[in-house]
Amino acid sequence: AQSVTQPDIHITVSEGASLELRCNYSYGATPYLFWYVQSPGQGLQLLLKYFSGDTLVQGIKGFEAEFKRSQSSFNLRKPSVHWSDAAEYFCAVAPTGGGNKLTFGTGTQLKVEL
Amino acid sequence: SAVISQKPSRDICQRGTSLTIQCQVDSQVTMMFWYRQQPGQSLTLIATANQGSEATYESGFVIDKFPISRPNLTFSTLTVSNMSPEDSSIYLCSVEGREGRGEQFFGPGTRLTVL
Repeated sequence: AQSVTQPDIHITVSEGASLELRCNYSYGATPYLFWYVQSPGQGLQLLLKYFSGDTLVQGIKGFEAEFKRSQSSFNLRKPSVHWSDAAEYFCAVAPTGGGNKLTFGTGTQLKVEL
Repeated sequence: SAVISQKPSRDICQRGTSLTIQCQVDSQVTMMFWYRQQPGQSLTLIATANQGSEATYESGFVIDKFPISRPNLTFSTLTVSNMSPEDSSIYLCSVEGREGRGEQFFGPGTRLTVL
């Protein structure tokens, strides 16, 4: 069965510092890949997605993610974190062969120190 | 992306009662999804709701506990029946994106507390 692992439950960074959130997946074929953000008391907002092609994808709010097939990873990055980026981040995958089910990772809670 | 609203945004309920959550989309969509997010946890899919057919439930979720309606292409409801404190969660609806590649857009969620 497919699974998504986010090894970091909590991460704290200083405002202005760079950020990388890790995501690894286990799946028979390269799935479609997503990152979502959930601010306190809010629903989920799609940050970016990878379907195929260029392995470095740009998203909203200055985020980017890099797909590495050899490592089954899809890590999220931001060069300079803002205090408003404090939120929970979820990596998710969906099968490419049909079906629409999203499988979510356990999430990474980001805290930003001023 | 679709604009999705949910009602109520939050509620506090007594055990043994039921709550119906509404999900409204600003455009017609084929597939809608209902998720549960327990405190401090990730999202778990409850069921997939297609218009004109019965909802498809995931393992561990049953229709008697979480009946779902999908009367048209822009609306769905989820009822949490005979509630217990273990049902305290955020319930989110989502819709698939137009590209049909697994992308989903989420409503703001309904925060339910059961006393």
